[in-house]
Amino acid sequence: EVQLLESGGGLVQPGGSLRLSCAASGFTFKNYAMLWVRQAPGKGLEWVSGISGSGDDTYYADSVKGRFTISRDNSKNTLFLQVTSLRAEDTAVYFCAKGPHSGSPRPDYWGQGTLVNVSS
Amino acid sequence: QSALTQPASVSGSPGQSITLSCTGTSSDVGGYDFVSWYQQHPGKAPKPMIFDVNNRPSGVSDRFSGSKSGNTASLTISGLQAEDEADYYCSSYTSSNTEVFGTGTKVTVL
Repeated sequence: EVQLLESGGGLVQPGGSLRLSCAASGFTFKNYAMLWVRQAPGKGLEWVSGISGSGDDTYYADSVKGRFTISRDNSKNTLFLQVTSLRAEDTAVYFCAKGPHSGSPRPDYWGQGTLVNVSS
Repeated sequence: QSALTQPASVSGSPGQSITLSCTGTSSDVGGYDFVSWYQQHPGKAPKPMIFDVNNRPSGVSDRFSGSKSGNTASLTISGLQAEDEADYYCSSYTSSNTEVFGTGTKVTVL
């Protein structure tokens, strides 16, 4: 059974940073793209970032490019999202998701999410 | 990348069929047969309902079906049931090798 467990969210001041993690199990982690999708309170879904199975290729939404960095540790089956220069509009639940194969940015399994609250 | 356009709300009575639309551009919906649909109940993670325009993941009811014409994709829910009341989001692969979501449609079962 695929399981994705996010952690690392919390309350952070504007301009601050956080590192989100996603522990994966139930599948061969290195063979699949991994993704981050966020959802602001009461709003819709926004695709944030994706990384290929090998970690060689990364992709970002324009809204986070230059501020967020996606990475993965295939030896520990863990996905990361380093978020910096945080703004109020980054407040959201951040979902970790798995792609259907190494290069696809489409989520096919989702975690339950971790809340990032950017506020002074 | 602008969000795909979905109607804010659609409603129907139990047993009826409803169709949700999702409009994009030739750089996303119109350019690829990689449109997906997700169902989200309040406080829950999204659940994949359709992928690659008209394919259902294992375990999804055949009351859900997808199609596409040009830059617009559609999700049809047949035999509407109370449990279908939720938010629905479309998504599409884009020319930037990213994914773009729709604005979301709230489905109400009357």
